[in-house]
Amino acid sequence: EVQLVESGGGLVQPGGSLRLSCAASGFIFSNYWMSWVRQTPGKGLEWVANIKQDGSEEYYVDSVKGRFTISRDNAKNSLYLQMNGLRAEDTAVYYCATASRDFWGQGTLVTVSS
Amino acid sequence: EIVMTQSPATLSVSPGERASLSCRASQSVSSNLAWYQQKPGQAPRLLIYGASTRATGIPARFSGSGSGTEFTLTFSYLQSEDFAVYYCQQYNNWPYTFGQGTKLEIK
Repeated sequence: EVQLVESGGGLVQPGGSLRLSCAASGFIFSNYWMSWVRQTPGKGLEWVANIKQDGSEEYYVDSVKGRFTISRDNAKNSLYLQMNGLRAEDTAVYYCATASRDFWGQGTLVTVSS
Repeated sequence: EIVMTQSPATLSVSPGERASLSCRASQSVSSNLAWYQQKPGQAPRLLIYGASTRATGIPARFSGSGSGTEFTLTFSYLQSEDFAVYYCQQYNNWPYTFGQGTKLEIK
C-alpha cells in the first residue's frame, strides 16, 4: 500500500523556520518527481515546489522562492521542505505528493502566528 | 501564471442525476489538465489526468473532456459519495495552478 506521511508542522512565529518531512513507502520513491502542495481556506490549493528524482532540479512558486527549499533523501525514502522566513500567509495544510499527482499524504498543518 | 477558473462555485444536484462542472484556463494548457475530488479533512484525490484519462480505481461514471482552454468534468449519474469539492489543475506550465473549486452539494 502506498503511504506518504508528513510530519513537522506546528505553530511558529513570523520570521521563524520549520522543516517538514514526508516518509514514503509502498512505491519506488527514487523513480518519482516529488512535490509539496499547500492549502488555505482563503487562497485554496497552491503547488509549492517540485524536485526531480535525483534532486538535480527544483522548482518553486514565486511566493516561496528564496525562503523554502525542497530536498530528498532517496536512501531514506524521504522528502523535505525547509521553510525559512515564515509569514502569516504561509499558514496552511502542507501536503506531500508525487508530482504525477496520484499519491498524496494526509497533510500537516503549519500555523504562522505571534 | 495561468489562471484556472471553475464554474459554478456551487452546484446543487439530486442523487442519480447527471452533472457537469466547467474549468477554463487563461491560456492553452493543451491536455495537461487534472481533476481532483476533495472531502472534508482529506487530501485531494486524483480523478482525471490528461484531461480525459481516469486515474486508477476511478469509476466510469466520472468522465473528463476538453483541451486547450475549456474543460469539463461530467458525472453520468451522481451517487451519495460523489458530493464533495472538485478542483481542476493545469500542469502544462510552471507554476502548476488550481481552480478555486466547485462544491457539489445534494439538492
